[in-house]
Amino acid sequence: AQSVTQLGSHVSVSEGALVLLRCNYSSSVPPYLFWYVQYPNQGLQLLLKYTTGATLVKGINGFEAEFKKSETSFHLTKPSAHMSDAAEYFCAVSDQDTGRRALTFGSGTRLQVQP
Amino acid sequence: DTGVSQNPRHKITKRGQNVTFRCDPISEHNRLYWYRQTLGQGPEFLTYFQNEAQLEKSRLLSDRFSAERPKGSFSTLEIQRTEQGDSAMYLCASSLASTGAFFGQGTRLTVV
Repeated sequence: AQSVTQLGSHVSVSEGALVLLRCNYSSSVPPYLFWYVQYPNQGLQLLLKYTTGATLVKGINGFEAEFKKSETSFHLTKPSAHMSDAAEYFCAVSDQDTGRRALTFGSGTRLQVQP
Repeated sequence: DTGVSQNPRHKITKRGQNVTFRCDPISEHNRLYWYRQTLGQGPEFLTYFQNEAQLEKSRLLSDRFSAERPKGSFSTLEIQRTEQGDSAMYLCASSLASTGAFFGQGTRLTVV
């Protein structure tokens, strides 16, 4: 079974400050890892994904994440927060070895950006 | 292609009524998923189709829930005899093998 833990249900940063959203996963098989963003009353938008290869993954809107197998982590970062980054962020994991690719999500982190 | 489309966006129904939601995936995507999301939680997997075959159903999908994808294109999710606990956002997603899933905007169900 897979699971995802997102530390901190709410994170608040100042505009221009570093954004760090934490994600740890549990998986008995090699994982695919994803970060999604959700704006109010909207669906989820894929920010970035790790499948294989380079462990530092760059995504849209200046976000990046690093897969650290030894720490079972996939933290999301952005060097400088913008007001438009305020949203809910979800980390998700799926199973590399099976075909279905259904995602297991964390409970989310709400990012607030203060002016 | 404009992405995954879900209809309706909002549905209010009385307890005990049946409801049906529709999802139109990205046209070349053979995989289709349904998820349910309640307030303050991440989406929870309900069911998965590859083409027209329903390959997996979650334990969350009670007997009152049924999903179809008759021609491997659009999908419907029906909830019979709705209960207040069914109130949630129902999300549809589609993908190709080994890509991230692309989500629709969801259907928000309110059971009164």
